Amino acid sequence: DAKTTQPPSMDCAEGRAANLPCNHSTISGNEYVYWYRQIHSQGPQYIIHGLKNNETNEMASLIITEDRKSSTLILPHATLRDTAVYYCIVRVTSGTYKYIFGTGTRLKVLA
Amino acid sequence: EAGVVQSPRYKIIEKKQPVAFWCNPISGHNTLYWYRQNLGQGPELLIRYENEEAVDDSQLPKDRFSAERLKGVDSTLKIQPAELGDSAVYLCASSPAGTSGGNEQFFGPGTRLTVL
Repeated sequence: DAKTTQPPSMDCAEGRAANLPCNHSTISGNEYVYWYRQIHSQGPQYIIHGLKNNETNEMASLIITEDRKSSTLILPHATLRDTAVYYCIVRVTSGTYKYIFGTGTRLKVLA
Repeated sequence: EAGVVQSPRYKIIEKKQPVAFWCNPISGHNTLYWYRQNLGQGPELLIRYENEEAVDDSQLPKDRFSAERLKGVDSTLKIQPAELGDSAVYLCASSPAGTSGGNEQFFGPGTRLTVL
């Protein structure tokens, strides 16, 4: 199964862009990259996902490299409420459609 | 729209006792997932249901864990007997379908289990 590697923690100043990297060097051609975040004492919350192309929604942007071996989640203007653990997940599509969570990146947005 | 509902939110039991967790998914969501999340770790899938059928239970410790989703709507996860190592947060999630490449999962708040 494809797995992801993320830095354990990052800090970001409020109002600045937060760029969260993720390595998924063993990803297969039909496996999606998903990003979720988990605020303390809550369940994970979906942010965005992509296959090959860059994606943007109201929460964030997802930049996937051309070889698909890494990606970056961008929160354009981080707020204190964005403080959370961010999970980069490769979604297996060969029958089980399983999410494989890593340990995530703990993002702390500083006032 | 109501989200995924789980109860109880917290449970403290003695080891060797049984415990059950309940989940009501978002209305219309055919796929239901149970995850376990240990402290400092990401969630780990225990079982996935498509309607009432368990289609992936490979990570469920079947000697002490059981789950059911009798009418394809709400679900119960049971542990009997509980062990100290079962202390974790048990998360339920649902999605409209499990076979499409682009469906997000909606998670409930989880049940925090403490086994003493």
